[in-house]
Amino acid sequence: GQQVMQIPQYQHVQEGEDFTTYCNSSTTLSNIQWYKQRPGGHPVFLIQLVKSGEVKKQKRLTFQFGEAKKNSSLHITATQTTDVGTYFCKGGNQFYFGTGTSLTVIP
Amino acid sequence: DVKVTQSSRYLVKRTGEKVFLECVQDMDHENMFWYRQDPGLGLRLIYFSYDVKMKEKGDIPEGYSVSREKKERFSLILESASTNQTSMYLCASSLTTGPNNQPQHFGDGTRLSIL
Repeated sequence: GQQVMQIPQYQHVQEGEDFTTYCNSSTTLSNIQWYKQRPGGHPVFLIQLVKSGEVKKQKRLTFQFGEAKKNSSLHITATQTTDVGTYFCKGGNQFYFGTGTSLTVIP
Repeated sequence: DVKVTQSSRYLVKRTGEKVFLECVQDMDHENMFWYRQDPGLGLRLIYFSYDVKMKEKGDIPEGYSVSREKKERFSLILESASTNQTSMYLCASSLTTGPNNQPQHFGDGTRLSIL
């Protein structure tokens, strides 16, 4: 099936540092969704981006959808220990999730 | 809030057994999904269903089958369990798919161990 690739696979940051994960597709996406999975939990929907070049913010989280609608990013400013988890993207009308980025925040 | 309930949080079975994992959603969603999650491999789609009695294969259907006799219930069946099917299994549902697809809502997962 179609795959959306995410990088990096793992990221360790010091608390207070910024963090970014990137999602890339070889095909144009109708929209992109982002999910967060806490350790021991299940994926929880965060946000959906639909328009080319769209930027949305949720407190310290900034989500971007590329102009060509083939890539997206999630940026966390000044990470906190509550940000720990795995972040997944899911492209458009696909049923397939990205490979995920596991974030560790070191206090 | 959407509630997706998986019948077991933890399950231990033996090689060769037929295993049933049950999932129920309470929001009248059209679509239901079964994924397995393994370290470093993300979420891999096993099967999905877009309507009662309808099913489509995902990326890794081998060794699995599914049943959707009622809209709210989607069952995953391991025909003859093998040790390489030890994994976390996640069920999800969504209202719509296609270009205007709605978010997926997940159950808590079933951690299945095959001995």
